[in-house]
Amino acid sequence: DADVTQTPRNRITKTGKRIMLECSQTKGHDRMYWYRQDPGLGLRLIYYSFDVKDINKGEISDGYSVSRQAQAKFSLSLESAIPNQTALYFCATSDPRTSEQFFGPGTRLTVL
Amino acid sequence: QKEVEQNSGPLSVPEGAIASLNCTYSDRVSQSFFWYRQYSGKSPELIMSIYSNGDKEDGRFTAQLNKASQYVSLLIRDSQPSDSATYLCAVITRAGTYKYIFGTGTRLKVLA
Repeated sequence: DADVTQTPRNRITKTGKRIMLECSQTKGHDRMYWYRQDPGLGLRLIYYSFDVKDINKGEISDGYSVSRQAQAKFSLSLESAIPNQTALYFCATSDPRTSEQFFGPGTRLTVL
Repeated sequence: QKEVEQNSGPLSVPEGAIASLNCTYSDRVSQSFFWYRQYSGKSPELIMSIYSNGDKEDGRFTAQLNKASQYVSLLIRDSQPSDSATYLCAVITRAGTYKYIFGTGTRLKVLA
């Protein structure tokens, strides 16, 4: 089984809808991250969490919120989706000793 | 100036040649450096991490770090068509708040 899983893998939704993307990991890492990737802009950090009680904004947190339900689960919500949130979203964990990151398979989100 | 810069490419090399990928970063206090490979439509996967000046070798891959000149490079020896992918450089900077910054990536094409 994959160490980092994301659901759903693909989602098409309409402007104004609330969307939740879920991430689970079995690596036992405390640190988890949400990124979005857009062509030409690379990976950009949305939110990160260093443990269950720690939530931090990344460089592009506006329009997003997160919930860290447990060490293994980190969810990303779009409260009212807009078309420019159409992107590929990745969840990742990192080894605290090395800071090496391990990514989930991604969620392709389309907002119409 | 971008915090992490990479030439977008594509960088084309013949099969069996050495591919050289470069990355520069702006924050002098950066401590940790990473190379990830990303195939089209897939998630990034870690190739190597490097933390101190000099070279670090792992199989066909060599990472080189020069903190004085603020660059990190990745050499791929005996390049194979399967190495064709986008290579992402990532840097952790702790100036102010914690930041894990990815470059936009260099697309490598290995020609058979």
